[in-house]
Amino acid sequence: SQQGEEDPQALSIQEGENATMNCSYKTSINNLQWYRQNSGRGLVHLILIRSNEREKHSGRLRVTLDTSKKSSSLLITASRAADTASYFCATDANAGKSTFGDGTTLTVKP
Amino acid sequence: SAVISQKPSRDICQRGTSLTIQCQVDSQVTMMFWYRQQPGQSLTLIATANQGSEATYESGFVIDKFPISRPNLTFSTLTVSNMSPEDSSIYLCSVGDSLNQPQHFGDGTRLSIL
Repeated sequence: SQQGEEDPQALSIQEGENATMNCSYKTSINNLQWYRQNSGRGLVHLILIRSNEREKHSGRLRVTLDTSKKSSSLLITASRAADTASYFCATDANAGKSTFGDGTTLTVKP
Repeated sequence: SAVISQKPSRDICQRGTSLTIQCQVDSQVTMMFWYRQQPGQSLTLIATANQGSEATYESGFVIDKFPISRPNLTFSTLTVSNMSPEDSSIYLCSVGDSLNQPQHFGDGTRLSIL
């Protein structure tokens, strides 16, 4: 089974609201990454957080990592219609190879 | 960051035929990877394309079905051989320093087999 599991599978919010997506994993990791995929496009790297970090920010993105709970969350603040996309977490527990979760599909309504 | 071009962007193929997908990068890169993404699902690593040597395949993927070439540090091809409807998927090329570091992806090839 996939190492990372995101929830919710789908999320629909209004523009301006915050969106929170969660990722859980099963075994120890060195780092965890978040990617975005717009419809019909490839994945775009958003943030990498190392296992010794608890929180990272990039613009409107905030990622947290709780290694004791083996979970991470991605918060998008003040969402925009352009944030509509699928979001994937990827962990490196499998022999140092990134293993992607099933993704959260975010819809931001104007 | 690297700019990655994949060709073709989509194709519809007949059962039993083969299709070669090209991945061109605008700069020399250490590592190139090939993934499969079935509609609405996650990515599965097919193989790491090694420059000048045979690709390294993941469990469940074999060279006879997915031959890969990487003649230089900016180009790779993936062939999907003897296609069946189960091969209908999106095939993505990515590049990076290693598999657990940020990767840059092409826009993928959407393949449908009739």
